[in-house]
Amino acid sequence: EPEVTQTPSHQVTQMGQEVILRCVPISNHLYFYWYRQILGQKVEFLVSFYNNEISEKSEIFDDQFSVERPDGSNFTLKIRSTKLEDSAMYFCASRGQVGYEQYFGPGTRLTVT
Amino acid sequence: AQKVTQAQTEISVVEKEDVTLDCVYETRDTTYYLFWYKQPPSGELVFLIRRNSFDEQNEISGRYSWNFQKSTSSFNFTITASQVVDSAVYFCALSEVLRATNKLIFGTGTLLAVQP
Repeated sequence: EPEVTQTPSHQVTQMGQEVILRCVPISNHLYFYWYRQILGQKVEFLVSFYNNEISEKSEIFDDQFSVERPDGSNFTLKIRSTKLEDSAMYFCASRGQVGYEQYFGPGTRLTVT
Repeated sequence: AQKVTQAQTEISVVEKEDVTLDCVYETRDTTYYLFWYKQPPSGELVFLIRRNSFDEQNEISGRYSWNFQKSTSSFNFTITASQVVDSAVYFCALSEVLRATNKLIFGTGTLLAVQP
């Protein structure tokens, strides 16, 4: 069964460093998303991406963040100059043209020290 | 504004008990989807069910059943004869169809602990 994959599973970085979180969505899906879950809290929408551009972003998704689909398979989230409060689980999700359910990857746990 | 409320923060039951997880939502749209996701201790988010706003039929899948009531803006989830493997955080989520992005608005989740 097709699934969303994410790498790395865990990333530790120092405050101020840049990180890139990678996702491979399900191959025939067209809509891509990043969500964030701070430990013990709810899952929060960050950004959605369709047709090679951002379709919506939340207030969390400021200039520190960017997304890219560099090729036909990868979808990346870049966080510049990480802060302690960026520590969270980051989930990538994708959905197809038909049906509205989003399928999530296993997440990348980002720890900023 | 869209909002999903899961008032039960934590529920503890003994195996084989039935348990209902509550979900209340708010939206101004007439067309929307509701979802339940399961987050086991391993951390991934597993899709369980989708229900659209025009379909108020209850659904049963094995030990799982869902009760959608538009009149009370609720989409409750019942697990019958609970098992230890059901222990997880369960999230209810809302997506408004008319918004092109269909982002998911999640509730705060209910932690279900099933004791043997």
